Amino acid sequence: DAGVTQSPTHLIKTRGQQVTLRCSPKSGHDTVSWYQQALGQGPQFIFQYYEEEERQRGNFPDRFSGHQFPNYSSELNVNALLLGDSALYLCASSLGQGGVNYGYTFGSGTRLTVV
Amino acid sequence: DAKTTQPPSMDCAEGRAANLPCNHSTISGNEYVYWYRQIHSQGPQYIIHGLKNNETNEMASLIITEDRKSSTLILPHATLRDTAVYYCIVSLGGNKLVFGAGTILRVKS
Repeated sequence: DAGVTQSPTHLIKTRGQQVTLRCSPKSGHDTVSWYQQALGQGPQFIFQYYEEEERQRGNFPDRFSGHQFPNYSSELNVNALLLGDSALYLCASSLGQGGVNYGYTFGSGTRLTVV
Repeated sequence: DAKTTQPPSMDCAEGRAANLPCNHSTISGNEYVYWYRQIHSQGPQYIIHGLKNNETNEMASLIITEDRKSSTLILPHATLRDTAVYYCIVSLGGNKLVFGAGTILRVKS
């Protein structure tokens, strides 16, 4: 049973560029959440998608946007990249918006470096 | 979401029980206590969660005090592979997870 798959695993971008990160949820899951983890810190919630709509959003600027597709996979887009956007980006999936019964399943993340 | 307080680091001998404490004095009645861990260079891994009662699964046990203001995660027989950052999180079901700094657990042989 495949877990959460994220691509690419590593990425280097230049300031001002745009980036798209991709996530395939665990089989049977329909909700995807995105987190940003700076070096040495805990993950910070960006937003959550359910039924192809953004349901919750953390304290991140509009440069961060997302999308969920009918097959439940998701993309995270970041525009006008800043050096401070360098981080590990984690995708987490769950069944329903819950995550109550079995928690969220996280992928291994995409390491984004902005130079 | 309520905040949690955890010690920054702990050491444990291999084969012994690891007891990781967490304070969540402002937890509300319908918030769950979740534990996740993150091994270096991997995404967080769900361990266990509970509301009021103590819980046990194949990975760990969760002891929640009667007033629900604190909890303890117990790894009964720690191994070197249990070395990780452990996060205690309180959250409504379905809500975002608010991660703190967590506890770095070092299991030593």
